Amino acid sequence: IQMTQSPSLLSASVGDRVTLSCKAGQNINNYLAWYQQKLGEAPKLLIYNANSLQTGIPSRFSGSGSGTDYTLTISSLQPEDVATYFCQQYNSWYTFGAGTKLELK
Amino acid sequence: EVQLVESGGGLVQPGRSLKLSCVASGFTFSNYGMNWIRQAPGKGLEWVAYISSGSSYIYYAETVKGRFTISRDNAKNTLYLQMTSLRSEDTALYYCARQILTGSSDYFDYWGQGVMVTVSS
Repeated sequence: IQMTQSPSLLSASVGDRVTLSCKAGQNINNYLAWYQQKLGEAPKLLIYNANSLQTGIPSRFSGSGSGTDYTLTISSLQPEDVATYFCQQYNSWYTFGAGTKLELK
Repeated sequence: EVQLVESGGGLVQPGRSLKLSCVASGFTFSNYGMNWIRQAPGKGLEWVAYISSGSSYIYYAETVKGRFTISRDNAKNTLYLQMTSLRSEDTALYYCARQILTGSSDYFDYWGQGVMVTVSS
């Protein structure tokens, strides 16, 4: 299942509400995870089952969507949120999106 | 604290072999399925292989099937990836990742820092 993320690069200011998109090639039944990867670090799980917040992740992160279209929202961007964000489907094996690189404006 | 530490990477010639290791700590290793996932330079993530907690179930991506072998030693809290017939396209950062597998969930909740494998003559 192909996963398409947009945009590939996003510039935003501290305090902005940020929305990242992930589109699946077919219905993935909410079997979607979001990961954050900072430069030189391991990927970190943020969201699973499309909208469930992983333990320890700040509440400014949220996930939504259904069917083929999913969104990761950061309600108020913080400097430490600069990273690349990947979506991953697990409806049929495992495939990842190419990522959205989030930078500060 | 959950920790996954990979090792064994390096520069290897095409056609040769390499074995990666991932030592786990901070959790009961024998209770979890484990995976290898890789990321080629400048590319996205690609799932490579899965092994169940007791090694009963093993699955591979088509791109590595027949060349790579995943295994584990629960007594040593260690996951392995034996890679043979290596190709230039296997060049990547290889991560081990713990899997959460329930009736409604199947995702990777902890990842190691990764180990680099470079296949080049």
